[in-house]
Amino acid sequence: NAGVTQTPKFRILKIGQSMTLQCTQDMNHNYMYWYRQDPGMGLKLIYYSVGAGITDKGEVPNGYNVSRSTTEDFPLRLELAAPSQTSVYFCASSYPGNSQETQYFGPGTRLLVL
Amino acid sequence: AQSVTQLDSQVPVFEEAPVELRCNYSSSVSVYLFWYVQYPNQGLQLLLKYLSGSTLVKGINGFEAEFNKSQTSFHLRKPSVHISDTAEYFCAVSAPIYNFNKFYFGSGTKLNVKP
Repeated sequence: NAGVTQTPKFRILKIGQSMTLQCTQDMNHNYMYWYRQDPGMGLKLIYYSVGAGITDKGEVPNGYNVSRSTTEDFPLRLELAAPSQTSVYFCASSYPGNSQETQYFGPGTRLLVL
Repeated sequence: AQSVTQLDSQVPVFEEAPVELRCNYSSSVSVYLFWYVQYPNQGLQLLLKYLSGSTLVKGINGFEAEFNKSQTSFHLRKPSVHISDTAEYFCAVSAPIYNFNKFYFGSGTKLNVKP
């Protein structure tokens, strides 16, 4: 199993540009998550999904959108990039999603908005 | 609501010395506790977790942690560190009151092992 994969690894955006961060997992996990990691701040939950077709907001959803058309994929979209969105983004998944379960993380996408 | 505090943002230590990374949490309900490690330019991976039972939990790479309910702490320890342990360590809690696996992460502790 490849686990959780993310693309791209690194991206530079100009203010106002848009992009999609891709996340794919091959573990047949129902639950998927997007986090952002800012220096010295730990991880903050952006959005999560409990299954295909179902998504919900986390702690910091503003400026982002998600979709979940398949079990495997959970892309994160930035519509109008802002400098405040400069961060490292991590996708994670778990099964079945109860609070005992380990979350499995992808390698992250480093985003720089200039 | 739950919160996690990692008191030390950076911990320098010499190789083969013992280390303790501190984690305190705040919660009005029972929680599950986790330690994750993040090596440079990689994602987080699970070191160990406490769900119930024995308060001393052993994880991978020789790490262990002790759950102390009265002090609301879950400190991570290793008796003898290696250069390869240089990484950032995150403490996290999850609570069984949500309908999904909501984690609260601490701000991380960077462990720098020196030769």
